[in-house]
Amino acid sequence: SQQGEEDPQALSIQEGENATMNCSYKTSINNLQWYRQNSGRGLVHLILIRSNEREKHSGRLRVTLDTSKKSSSLLITASRAADTASYFCATDARGNKLVFGAGTILRVKS
Amino acid sequence: KAGVTQTPRYLIKTRGQQVTLSCSPISGHRSVSWYQQTPGQGLQFLFEYFSETQRNKGNFPGRFSGRQFSNSRSEMNVSTLELGDSALYLCASSLDSQNEKLFFGSGTQLSVL
Repeated sequence: SQQGEEDPQALSIQEGENATMNCSYKTSINNLQWYRQNSGRGLVHLILIRSNEREKHSGRLRVTLDTSKKSSSLLITASRAADTASYFCATDARGNKLVFGAGTILRVKS
Repeated sequence: KAGVTQTPRYLIKTRGQQVTLSCSPISGHRSVSWYQQTPGQGLQFLFEYFSETQRNKGNFPGRFSGRQFSNSRSEMNVSTLELGDSALYLCASSLDSQNEKLFFGSGTQLSVL
């Protein structure tokens, strides 16, 4: 079973708009990571946020973490067509193995 | 630095056959994880190796096995292939056992006919 579940399953926005996707998880974590996957390729690490952090920024990315609600959100500001991809959250389960959610498919229309 | 290399990129097999997939991690990385990705089940964790030892294993039948060599290269094997084994198999490496940043290969697309 998957630890993290993303919401929404799919998101379609215009270039320049912001995209927000959410992740919920079930058990306590040490950290939560976000990855991007372009169609049929490997995943690329975007950002990691630790359980004692509430917010983190990296370029146009902003990640928040609410451990009381067991949820995280990824915000991509000023989206570009090149941001079109699937986005996954991953949480570290027992033994530090990473468990991925089902992903959000983001389409940015130009 | 070269990235994670997976071979072959595509593979077509028939039911009942066996297959071996290969993964070369980034130089210096000691942890290798394997994932199966399908449209219906998403990314499912198969197993993880660190310094030639299996650290974690997912909920897959014994037909799925793997190993890691002293140079950190890893292989996974699937015996007695079933149609449902058709998937993208992804390998990821990380520097240490903390897995705080995985580097993924492009995957091996396996089709079982």
